[in-house]
Amino acid sequence: DTAVSQTPKYLVTQMGNDKSIKCEQNLGHDTMYWYKQDSKKFLKIMFSYNNKELIINETVPNRFSPKSPDKAHLNLHINSLELGDSAVYFCASSLRGGRVNEQYFGPGTRLTVT
Amino acid sequence: GQNIDQPTEMTATEGAIVQINCTYQTSGFNGLFWYQQHAGEAPTFLSYNVLDGLEEKGRFSSFLSRSKGYSYLLLKELQMKDSASYLCAAFSGGYNKLIFGAGTRLAVHP
Repeated sequence: DTAVSQTPKYLVTQMGNDKSIKCEQNLGHDTMYWYKQDSKKFLKIMFSYNNKELIINETVPNRFSPKSPDKAHLNLHINSLELGDSAVYFCASSLRGGRVNEQYFGPGTRLTVT
Repeated sequence: GQNIDQPTEMTATEGAIVQINCTYQTSGFNGLFWYQQHAGEAPTFLSYNVLDGLEEKGRFSSFLSRSKGYSYLLLKELQMKDSASYLCAAFSGGYNKLIFGAGTRLAVHP
């Protein structure tokens, strides 16, 4: 069974479009995250939700809007896509307060903006 | 500030031992993670250190010195499948926030 799943796996779109990426976890975790990994493979946190509450909001353009309908789902909507948004976006989840706080990552969504 | 440093690339021979170093400066430090990431795949958890010392898990071991802001990942009996990027990440603050280094690309040769 897939622990953290993301859709779509690949997304190719043109500048100016609006797109969404969806994430779901079936691990019973209460915290979910969005990371961006750029072409230099640097993995950087964007947002984090704990029990549907936004707890981390890094310096990200407001064209990016996360939404958590429940603690098993975290979606990412991107408006007015730009070339620089091309990257791999990873969703992750963890159990806050656990001994290790290990984060489990989804397979990633490779976004290409042309 | 927040800073994680690790070498960009390393090469090693199959069957050998390799040590990947990581130095960090983060506020509210509360543990050090190592993740493995194969090309085109998601990062997967390898190890976690919160106290000083060595944690051993099979062929992989990780060490932490909080006073020196230093960690290393030790890989023994290298196999070709160990060719991957190894990401050092400091756990910071009370929000489950991981600060990742840029990763070390390890190439294992026959």
